[in-house]
Amino acid sequence: DTEVTQTPKHLVMGMTNKKSLKCEQHMGHRAMYWYKQKAKKPPELMFVYSYEKLSINESVPSRFSPECPNSSLLNLHLHALQPEDSALYLCASSQFLGQPQHFGDGTRLSIL
Amino acid sequence: KNEVEQSPQNLTAQEGEFITINCSYSVGISALHWLQQHPGGGIVSLFMLSSGKKKHGRLIATINIQEKHSSLHITASHPRDSAVYICATQTSGSRLTFGEGTQLTVNP
Repeated sequence: DTEVTQTPKHLVMGMTNKKSLKCEQHMGHRAMYWYKQKAKKPPELMFVYSYEKLSINESVPSRFSPECPNSSLLNLHLHALQPEDSALYLCASSQFLGQPQHFGDGTRLSIL
Repeated sequence: KNEVEQSPQNLTAQEGEFITINCSYSVGISALHWLQQHPGGGIVSLFMLSSGKKKHGRLIATINIQEKHSSLHITASHPRDSAVYICATQTSGSRLTFGEGTQLTVNP
């Protein structure tokens, strides 16, 4: 069982829909991460939060909007996505920046 | 720019065999991670190394900082070890640079 919980596990949405991905951890970690992973490719970093503040945005399009409402929860709000955004979205957390990251099982997103 | 290269890309073994996966990188790093990803998604962190050697069960990870090289060994391999193994280096802060991964298949 992973200690980083992501919901939903699968999501199919149209290009005009608005949806959110959720990530939760109760390990007291203060750094949380969003990654995007295409098939047979390594993960690509999207965002990093440290102490609930956005620390890194890897030039991600504005149709992806992260939110960290508290130290246990990280959301990724999705709006007007494109078919090329279909991928596995992985959340991770670490005690602090630079510490080993614990990954969730991911949300597999398909854009119709 | 840090380049992380893994070899082999694909590896097929028979149950019980000793397996080695290699990782080379091009710049000085603060730590190196070995990750495991099973089909369907989830990533498990196996090791974080900054020097020497670590062992956990049948898995052993070594790193040579001078040669900028790390190896992941699996002893007495088992079909449940079949997965993608990813090497990732950490140079500063939180950014990880990932290798392309090694697809391991262990046949019974």
